[in-house]
Amino acid sequence: SQQGEEDPQALSIQEGENATMNCSYKTSINNLQWYRQNSGRGLVHLILIRSNEREKHSGRLRVTLDTSKKSSSLLITASRAADTASYFCATDESGNTGKLIFGQGTTLQVKP
Amino acid sequence: NAGVMQNPRHLVRRRGQEARLRCSPMKGHSHVYWYRQLPEEGLKFMVYLQKENIIDESGMPKERFSAEFPKEGPSILRIQQVVRGDSAAYFCASSPRTGEGYGYTFGSGTRLTVV
Repeated sequence: SQQGEEDPQALSIQEGENATMNCSYKTSINNLQWYRQNSGRGLVHLILIRSNEREKHSGRLRVTLDTSKKSSSLLITASRAADTASYFCATDESGNTGKLIFGQGTTLQVKP
Repeated sequence: NAGVMQNPRHLVRRRGQEARLRCSPMKGHSHVYWYRQLPEEGLKFMVYLQKENIIDESGMPKERFSAEFPKEGPSILRIQQVVRGDSAAYFCASSPRTGEGYGYTFGSGTRLTVV
């Protein structure tokens, strides 16, 4: 069964605006990861947040994790046209099997 | 330090043929994972391998699919007697170890088209 559900499915914003994507999951997790995928390319790991962490920052990225609600959000601040891509959350239930469960993804378009 | 290398990038096979997809992990990585992405969907886990061992193949279809990661050489995902439903992008990821949660490095994928 699909673990993650992402919201919204598609998002279109102007350059300079912030973009927020949400991810919900169903089971207990060891960590949650966010990946970016440009059209026709592989996935790039963006950030990992462990189950005992609530918030994490990396450059213009901010990730939150609420384990009580089984949800996470990814915020991209001051978006750029180069941020246009699909963004996926992936949950890792045990942290030691390499088995990630991916959401369906959010397609982000940043207009210049 | 090259990333995860997958080849070929694109592969076209006729129904009933065999498809072989190759993945060379990052230098120093001994754990390899294969995922499949159907159009407009997220990635689905297929199999996790270490050198000469299959650790978890819970995502592999029961028939026609097999994977190996020999002592020498790349990991191979093999699909026998391909059908149109096998058309997808197949991604390989690698990591130096598991435990404590690590982000994974993905290759650019092999896009298989079955005609």
